[in-house]
Amino acid sequence: SQQGEEDPQALSIQEGENATMNCSYKTSINNLQWYRQNSGRGLVHLILIRSNEREKHSGRLRVTLDTSKKSSSLLITASRAADTASYFCATASFSGGYNKLIFGAGTRLAVHP
Amino acid sequence: SAVISQKPSRDICQRGTSLTIQCQVDSQVTMMFWYRQQPGQSLTLIATANQGSEATYESGFVIDKFPISRPNLTFSTLTVSNMSPEDSSIYLCSVDKQGVGEAFFGQGTRLTVV
Repeated sequence: SQQGEEDPQALSIQEGENATMNCSYKTSINNLQWYRQNSGRGLVHLILIRSNEREKHSGRLRVTLDTSKKSSSLLITASRAADTASYFCATASFSGGYNKLIFGAGTRLAVHP
Repeated sequence: SAVISQKPSRDICQRGTSLTIQCQVDSQVTMMFWYRQQPGQSLTLIATANQGSEATYESGFVIDKFPISRPNLTFSTLTVSNMSPEDSSIYLCSVDKQGVGEAFFGQGTRLTVV
């Protein structure tokens, strides 16, 4: 079953602007991750934030996690046309001997030159 | 990181036939995962595959429809059996090398059933 809900479903911005995507989830988690998918290809891991962390940075990416609200956000600063892709959050929860990932519905980001 | 080779990258198949998708990893991993991504949708886990044991299927997925093999620690196959147009999806394999859930994905197999 899908745990993560993402909004917006689609986001259209101009190059140089910031893009913010949000993710909510329902159960307790070990960590939350963000992935990127170009044109229906394989997913690429972007960043992982543990349940005891509140904020994490990686290059132009900033992720926040609020476990009390069961929500996370991904901020892409100074966006580029090459950032155009679908972005998915995924929660990791330990189940059956491994960390099971449940993916959100995704946000389709379009960055216009 | 992990390099995952998945093939075929795409296929168009007739209904009623079966397609086997291969996933090769560049290093040994304990668990491999198979996902389905229906058009415009998110990823749904089909099953987890451990070497030397039966695959564990998620609710809504059965072995007769999606048989999985895991003959060694670097290779797995997923078969989509008796296909119908509803099986048209992207199928992806992934691995979690560090055991924290950080997944590395193959490039996916885009399946169209006509």
